[in-house]
Amino acid sequence: DTGVSQDPRHKITKRGQNVTFRCDPISEHNRLYWYRQTLGQGPEFLTYFQNEAQLEKSRLLSDRFSAERPKGSFSTLEIQRTEQGDSAMYLCASSLVTGGYEKLFFGSGTQLSVL
Amino acid sequence: RKEVEQDPGPFNVPEGATVAFNCTYSNSASQSFFWYRQDCRKEPKLLMSVYSSGNEDGRFTAQLNRASQYISLLIRDSKLSDSATYLCVVTLSGSARQLTFGSGTQLTVLP
Repeated sequence: DTGVSQDPRHKITKRGQNVTFRCDPISEHNRLYWYRQTLGQGPEFLTYFQNEAQLEKSRLLSDRFSAERPKGSFSTLEIQRTEQGDSAMYLCASSLVTGGYEKLFFGSGTQLSVL
Repeated sequence: RKEVEQDPGPFNVPEGATVAFNCTYSNSASQSFFWYRQDCRKEPKLLMSVYSSGNEDGRFTAQLNRASQYISLLIRDSKLSDSATYLCVVTLSGSARQLTFGSGTQLTVLP
């Protein structure tokens, strides 16, 4: 499978625990995005990387959240001291610029449930 | 006011019906427009871009009205496999960084 892959698919954790998600983008894509989606809402932008550089972070990304893309390939998203409000689907996407605009390819997401 | 607004539905239609979804956006500087499809518990996938002149892809027709800041998606001869949530997406530029997703309209096509 040469698409965007995310691991794990599901994560259940207790409030206060730390969790880490991984995303492997499509290999030739240099941009990688993290989005969060809650039930009944569309995805919301969290942050993105151009190669290994984190270029922008949304105000939705509190200090408890950190993302890395150490070698410009896979990325990790860590949430520290999880709260129930963090329960959501965390989507990773990588992009290819074609015809003047970016086309996003999403992974299947990691569904986080904080108890 | 939300940046991108959609009727959440659900729309329940019989197979073969024609169904239309509407979307409005608040930022008049928006430049690019898309419809994404998202199946239950799956990732969003690009369905089609929306061009000013309107565009068609098989049974799907997208329209843009910049003056009214309004986008539509028409599905003709609906199939069971069209059942999904349809997300209206707007961006200020060609950059995916500035994509703003609507909350989606849920469609169920009934046999």
